[in-house]
Amino acid sequence: EAQVTQNPRYLITVTGKKLTVTCSQNMNHEYMSWYRQDPGLGLRQIYYSMNVEVTDKGDVPEGYKVSRKEKRNFPLILESPSPNQTSLYFCASSSSGQGSYEQYFGPGTRLTVT
Amino acid sequence: GENVEQHPSTLSVQEGDSAVIKCTYSDSASNYFPWYKQELGKGPQLIIDIRSNVGEKKDQRIAVTLNKTAKHFSLHITETQPEDSAVYFCANPGKSTFGDGTTLTVKP
Repeated sequence: EAQVTQNPRYLITVTGKKLTVTCSQNMNHEYMSWYRQDPGLGLRQIYYSMNVEVTDKGDVPEGYKVSRKEKRNFPLILESPSPNQTSLYFCASSSSGQGSYEQYFGPGTRLTVT
Repeated sequence: GENVEQHPSTLSVQEGDSAVIKCTYSDSASNYFPWYKQELGKGPQLIIDIRSNVGEKKDQRIAVTLNKTAKHFSLHITETQPEDSAVYFCANPGKSTFGDGTTLTVKP
């Protein structure tokens, strides 16, 4: 089954404790992206990757890091989480970037930083 | 960057009525216009899309129309049902960003 998986689905952590949210897709997609979703603010893009070893900032990259060492995986790293990063996070993939093809979304990771 | 404007932000209709959501974009070179549905507790999922070489596309009760001159595209849902209640997003054509979403509530 074609899918995007994220782990963990739920995470409660404390300020400053480094964490990683994993994302994996099995569709051989070149493009992957991370979004955060907050009430009233829609989906905001954090980082994206056009292909292996190619990453770029989205609209709200501060406080986040990503890497793309393999085509299927695109982890999101919070080196020093803060309460304002409490949010619902979605990973997505697409066969190509530039918004020209369907994006497939993961189930989401709900993060709470206390 | 260039954004897409989506309206309305909330929409409440009676079961059986029609619902229309509109997005206005700015990039004239755009050629792909998708709509996503997000149900509670889930990630967004594509429900219909259209390419710029056609003006309308239908799939059962949903349709998307495109007006390239006016730079807007719209989602039409006919004969709405309670299970249509969700948040709907248009994507910014040519980019991987989204409108702010429309919360549709269908009252039985």
